[in-house]
Amino acid sequence: EAQVTQNPRYLITVTGKKLTVTCSQNMNHEYMSWYRQDPGLGLRQIYYSMNVEVTDKGDVPEGYKVSRKEKRNFPLILESPSPNQTSLYFCASSLSFSNTGELFFGEGSRLTVL
Amino acid sequence: EDQVTQSPEALRLQEGESSSLNCSYTVSGLRGLFWYRQDPGKGPEFLFTLYSAGEEKEKERLKATLTKKESFLHITAPKPEDSATYLCAVRGLTGGGNKLTFGTGTQLKVEL
Repeated sequence: EAQVTQNPRYLITVTGKKLTVTCSQNMNHEYMSWYRQDPGLGLRQIYYSMNVEVTDKGDVPEGYKVSRKEKRNFPLILESPSPNQTSLYFCASSLSFSNTGELFFGEGSRLTVL
Repeated sequence: EDQVTQSPEALRLQEGESSSLNCSYTVSGLRGLFWYRQDPGKGPEFLFTLYSAGEEKEKERLKATLTKKESFLHITAPKPEDSATYLCAVRGLTGGGNKLTFGTGTQLKVEL
């Protein structure tokens, strides 16, 4: 089954404690991206990757890091989480850059930073 | 800066009562307008892509249309299982053509 898998799905952590949200896709997609979804603000892009070892900032990259060492994996790293990073996070992928708008989304990771 | 505005924010329909959701947009060089469905606790699910004014796409009870300034998602004879939040997004030339700008969605509830 084609899917984008995120872990953990739910996480409560404290300010400053580094965490990683993993994302893996099994569709051999080139393009992957991270979004956060907040009430009234919609989906906003954090980082994206057009292929292995190629990443770039989206609209709200501050406080986040990413890496793309393998085609299937695109982890999101919060080095020192703060309460304003409490949000619902989605990883998404598409076949290639030219299909950027036709995204497969993961189920989401709800993060609470105390 | 690309912008997407969806209306209404919420819509309550009776089963079988057809209606339309609106997505107004401003974009630098439209490279696609996209509709997604999002169920509670789930990630968005891709529905349609529209590329040029006059284009239409259909899927079951849903039909998406596009003009130069807005898109409509028409829902014909909706059923309770059509209840979801519908998101609209545009891709333009901003950010090298990579950037997707999403609206905040229309929350649709279809009642028996």
